[in-house]
Amino acid sequence: DTEVTQTPKHLVMGMTNKKSLKCEQHMGHRAMYWYKQKAKKPPELMFVYSYEKLSINESVPSRFSPECPNSSLLNLHLHALQPEDSALYLCASSQDWALSSYNEQFFGPGTRLTVL
Amino acid sequence: GDSVTQMEGPVTLSEEAFLTINCTYTATGYPSLFWYVQYPGEGLQLLLKATKADDKGSNKGFEATYRKETTSFHLEKGSVQVSDSAVYFCALKINTNAGKSTFGDGTTLTVKP
Repeated sequence: DTEVTQTPKHLVMGMTNKKSLKCEQHMGHRAMYWYKQKAKKPPELMFVYSYEKLSINESVPSRFSPECPNSSLLNLHLHALQPEDSALYLCASSQDWALSSYNEQFFGPGTRLTVL
Repeated sequence: GDSVTQMEGPVTLSEEAFLTINCTYTATGYPSLFWYVQYPGEGLQLLLKATKADDKGSNKGFEATYRKETTSFHLEKGSVQVSDSAVYFCALKINTNAGKSTFGDGTTLTVKP
């Protein structure tokens, strides 16, 4: 299984809502990532988890809260978002992150988020 | 800092035409280089990679050679198909940067029948 799955595929939420994005992989990868991608732009790194611990937070606002319940799952909790947070949110995983530059990242299909 | 520069798009070609998408990089360390492809409405997929100088990555008819002397990793395909229409991202990754990937801005390719 070389797939990263993400749910939901689409999400529309108001600025006062609380929602969560989910990501799952069963490749035994120990690094998992959240990216934000605006239309026609490259992905922007938000968070990196390594061995279920948060390793990188790219100065992301606290209205985004990541969680890694176990080595296969990654969540992104959303609260009090702004319309400018509307984007495609991509999850990715790789075998490792710290020791090797050779590790390719496997991306999920993304969640298309619209904040009204 | 590290950076990746791709040729600006969009690129429009006829089916069976030759494709080149230029990619050059600057890196403080010794990078691995990647090409990712993003089809409409989907996430990124790794297309090919090269981890050291003079390596050639290839997949699905696409090729790119890691040129350290010119700091380049140009993507080529001899005969494109309509199904190759997508956005292509060049990226680099180095050990000393905590495994972060640096992406280029992407090049949109449209292939017309």
